[in-house]
Amino acid sequence: AQKITQTQPGMFVQEKEAVTLDCTYDTSDPSYGLFWYKQPSSGEMIFLIYQGSYDQQNATEGRYSLNFQKARKSANLVISASQLGDSAMYFCAMREGGGFQKLVFGTGTRLLVSP
Amino acid sequence: DTEVTQTPKHLVMGMTNKKSLKCEQHMGHRAMYWYKQKAKKPPELMFVYSYEKLSINESVPSRFSPECPNSSLLNLHLHALQPEDSALYLCASSHAGTPGGLNTEAFFGQGTRLTVV
Repeated sequence: AQKITQTQPGMFVQEKEAVTLDCTYDTSDPSYGLFWYKQPSSGEMIFLIYQGSYDQQNATEGRYSLNFQKARKSANLVISASQLGDSAMYFCAMREGGGFQKLVFGTGTRLLVSP
Repeated sequence: DTEVTQTPKHLVMGMTNKKSLKCEQHMGHRAMYWYKQKAKKPPELMFVYSYEKLSINESVPSRFSPECPNSSLLNLHLHALQPEDSALYLCASSHAGTPGGLNTEAFFGQGTRLTVV
């Protein structure tokens, strides 16, 4: 069964607009972490934001925020004021339990920002 | 320094060749990872090293042989690969937290794009 689901293969947004990338997850472990990574065409995975299962508040990092709805098992990424450099592949990932960053990735969403 | 450095960036090898991928980090992380990413797919975990010991092998074929000579270095030795092994190989590192411990992100390198001919 899919542990991480990203239902949007591609998204388009205009520069300066906000965009939401969807992510739902499935786990029975009460302790887990959710991550968003950006992968430009160069290949490296760039960490964007983290949300822990016990965190009371939604995570924010600059223009990135995570809309964490635990009961619905969703962890959507919101990018505000999109920039051309935001065009990339975005992966949602989950780590169950503590310890190693044994990340399970979703299939990704390709974001294209247009001028 | 929040960098994970992978060499080489590109590698073309024949099916009878032996080659190695290298990964280095100086962030004091004690967990290091190899992921494999096929085109248009998400990364898939291959190996995890914790405190220089192999902790997780995700049933990877023996033609891939990992090695962690010290806390900063991680190698992936390749031998007798198949064309279907062509992929982007990503190295990552993180703190090696205990259960319920540190919840920090994994830092990834730029990857090695491997082509097996």
